[in-house]
Amino acid sequence: GAVVSQHPSWVICKSGTSVKIECRSLDFQATTMFWYRQFPKQSLMLMATSNEGSKATYEQGVEKDKFLINHASLTLSTLTVTSAHPEDSSFYICSARPTSPPYEQYFGPGTRLTVT
Amino acid sequence: LAKTTQPISMDSYEGQEVNITCSHNNIATNDYITWYQQFPSQGPRFIIQGYKTKVTNEVASLFIPADRKSSTLSLPRVSLSDTAVYYCLVGDSGFQKLVFGTGTRLLVSP
Repeated sequence: GAVVSQHPSWVICKSGTSVKIECRSLDFQATTMFWYRQFPKQSLMLMATSNEGSKATYEQGVEKDKFLINHASLTLSTLTVTSAHPEDSSFYICSARPTSPPYEQYFGPGTRLTVT
Repeated sequence: LAKTTQPISMDSYEGQEVNITCSHNNIATNDYITWYQQFPSQGPRFIIQGYKTKVTNEVASLFIPADRKSSTLSLPRVSLSDTAVYYCLVGDSGFQKLVFGTGTRLLVSP
């Protein structure tokens, strides 16, 4: 089956620093990748849609200058949380949609970010 | 995107059949119904997708009435490992954009 990986699986950073999270589709190419955020006991919230070679589309209320998304290849998208604050602590999950059918969204295992 | 409503939580015992119902009154003609499963600290996993009537795969069945305003995910003979959150989503079959609702937290006890 299609596999999506995320790195790191967990990260702790100090307030004010930036942290980058990678999302890779390991055995398929993905024109579109999605980034979600999930707080404890809550549902997934779509943050942005990332298309290879073009600018990401952010959902309403998500600061594009704070959450930088780069989708430089058909197998890699990155999310950089800039100037992180404790309220950015969350579980970040990416998903990837293959370039060819079946067009399922395959999810990564998630990255736990803790900002101290 | 059609909004979905599902029970917040459900309890069951091992070996029982579990049926989780989802309401989607504003479903559009070209919308499909998709269910995902999520374990704690993991990404969601696709379970099943359907458009109408009944769809069955190796892990679940999906029942959709003629008016398509609701759907029921049926898990046969659940085990402890089925304890998870189950999300019902409505949207195009191409998975262009997924909007997750509150989900149903299923707890399976021995």
